This record gives sequence, structure tokens and C-alpha cells, in this order.
Amino acid sequence: NAGVTQTPKFRVLKTGQSMTLLCAQDMNHEYMYWYRQDPGMGLRLIHYSVGEGTTAKGEVPDGYNVSRLKKQNFLLGLESAAPSQTSVYFCASSYSTLWTFSPYGYTFGSGTRLTVV
Amino acid sequence: AQKITQTQPGMFVQEKEAVTLDCTYDTSDQSYGLFWYKQPSSGEMIFLIYQGSYDEQNATEGRYSLNFQKARKSANLVISASQLGDSAMYFCAMRRESNFGNEKLTFGTGTRLTIIP
Repeated sequence: NAGVTQTPKFRVLKTGQSMTLLCAQDMNHEYMYWYRQDPGMGLRLIHYSVGEGTTAKGEVPDGYNVSRLKKQNFLLGLESAAPSQTSVYFCASSYSTLWTFSPYGYTFGSGTRLTVV
Repeated sequence: AQKITQTQPGMFVQEKEAVTLDCTYDTSDQSYGLFWYKQPSSGEMIFLIYQGSYDEQNATEGRYSLNFQKARKSANLVISASQLGDSAMYFCAMRRESNFGNEKLTFGTGTRLTIIP
């Protein structure tokens, strides 16, 4: 039972380089999210998706793009990395039915530690 | 907009003592859910406990209980008989539950708990 898988786990980028973080879930969840975690700031929502083919901006979307071409995958892209994007990135997924919200909130991936130098 | 406030950046507690981690929230929604997650030094996010705004009883999960005081907008986490393995970062989070397709969690800045042997 893989749950939510993030790749890569660690990455060092030079300023201006681009990269894509991959998130895959095998739980058939409709909703997927990308957060960044910075010291003293908790987790902040970057982008999210409520279903295949849909994406929406979160609290801190600037400098990031996302795509959800398949229900199980949610990609986070950095087109031109900046030192301010040094962070730990978490992907998460969740489900809802017509009548209930998940009482567990999210299933999280293990995180990606990104350093931009 | 929703806001979570955790006013204790760090706490030190003697092993086997009870611990209360503070969380206050601000929302204009009538229906919402409150969560606590644990993040050990290994980095993964672990779900601990959930409380719905209409639940009349405080939620409990083993040694964890959520002291929910709706009028005061507080959702403190209580850990009974603390153990060394409880040393971790703890995040309080909330989500609106008044419309589906809107499961975004808003997180607090976290409290780092250290258990002293």
C-alpha cells in the first residue's frame, strides 16, 4: 500500500534551473495538494486540484505551476528556481463523498527537500 | 478566511507528564473540522486526531485527546503520560466543511515538543 509517493526526495538546483516534482497516489482520491514547509511558517498551500484536469491557486502560488493530467498524478513545476524556493515540499491527497468529509484529513507524501543555490 | 494560531514555538516536558499544546482558530464558517498532525524528526506528517465542529464530545485517540472549546475557538491537544517518542513538531489545522470540493487544510506554525527523560 504505497499511499502518496513523492519523487525525488532530495534535490539541489542552481538559480534559474527548472525542475518538476512528481506526486503519485494510488487511493483513487479526487483531491490533491502541494504545500511548502518553511521554519516558523508551518505548511502553506501552493496549488491544489479537485479532480483530473483541474487546478487552482493556493496561498503562495507565485513561481510554481502544476498539472493534473491523470487522476493519480499531480506535478509541481518550478520554471526558474530562486533561492526563496528552498523549502520542504509536501504533496497530499484526500477524498470526499457527497455526504462526508474524510475524518483523516490528508494522506501525505514523505516530502521533497529542495535547495536552490 | 481561516486562521490557526499556535502560540508555543517550543515546549519541554518531563517524561510521563501530561502535555497540552495550544491551538486557537478563527473562522466565520459554521461547519468546520480541526486536526492535529505530528511531524517527527524523520519528516513525515502523521495524523493524530480530528474534531468536527458539531461533535459534542471531545475527540480521543489513545493517549491523545482534543480539548474543544467552541465558544473560545480553541482546540488544544492533550497528550497523557508523555513518552520520549512524542518528541516532534505538532501542527494544528482546520478546514471548512460547508461545501464539498473544498477540503483545503489551513495549518498553524507548529509547536516543537521535546520530552525530557
